[in-house]
Amino acid sequence: DSGVTQTPKHLITATGQRVTLRCSPRSGDLSVYWYQQSLDQGLQFLIQYYNGEERAKGNILERFSAQQFPDLHSELNLSSLELGDSALYFCASSVGQRNQPQHFGDGTRLSIL
Amino acid sequence: GENVEQHPSTLSVQEGDSAVIKCTYSDSASNYFPWYKQELGKRPQLIIDIRSNVGEKKDQRIAVTLNKTAKHFSLHITETQPEDSAVYFCAASRGASGGGADGLTFGKGTHLIIQP
Repeated sequence: DSGVTQTPKHLITATGQRVTLRCSPRSGDLSVYWYQQSLDQGLQFLIQYYNGEERAKGNILERFSAQQFPDLHSELNLSSLELGDSALYFCASSVGQRNQPQHFGDGTRLSIL
Repeated sequence: GENVEQHPSTLSVQEGDSAVIKCTYSDSASNYFPWYKQELGKRPQLIIDIRSNVGEKKDQRIAVTLNKTAKHFSLHITETQPEDSAVYFCAASRGASGGGADGLTFGKGTHLIIQP
């Protein structure tokens, strides 16, 4: 158990819909990272938050957004969903904002029908 | 941006032998290099990491070496066991200067198969 909690574990929805993925970091960790894992793209960094502030952006689509709340949990919002958004979405957390070990949650498997 | 190449994509070794996985990176500013192990259907697990001010790091049967000049780093697993079978990912991060932050750029992964 990494201490990083992600909900839900599985999500099935249709094209054009909007979903919210939730992540609670390990106790004491201030940074939250979101990653997408798919067969064709591999593991890709989407976005990082540190203590409530956005810190870095990766290959995140404009249809996707995220935020980190005062209690440090984070939500990733995916809208206007397309078939290609089907993937595993991982959240990771670390103590600091850079070059710190990142510990991954169990992921949310998103299936778009 | 950063680009991480990982080889081989599949590696099959006999139980008890050593396994070596190699990665190269493109951004000379990268300074943090973790390795993750991912079993089927599970989350990536951090197994070892190295920072650019260190050339080698060991943890029991696992070691990582870093050559900053050549921009490559390698994972070495000795005395392999069946439970070492998994997909291994290398990654790099530059932790941007000026106090900024940066996510991990991952290689495509190596499927390590330990033959009994």
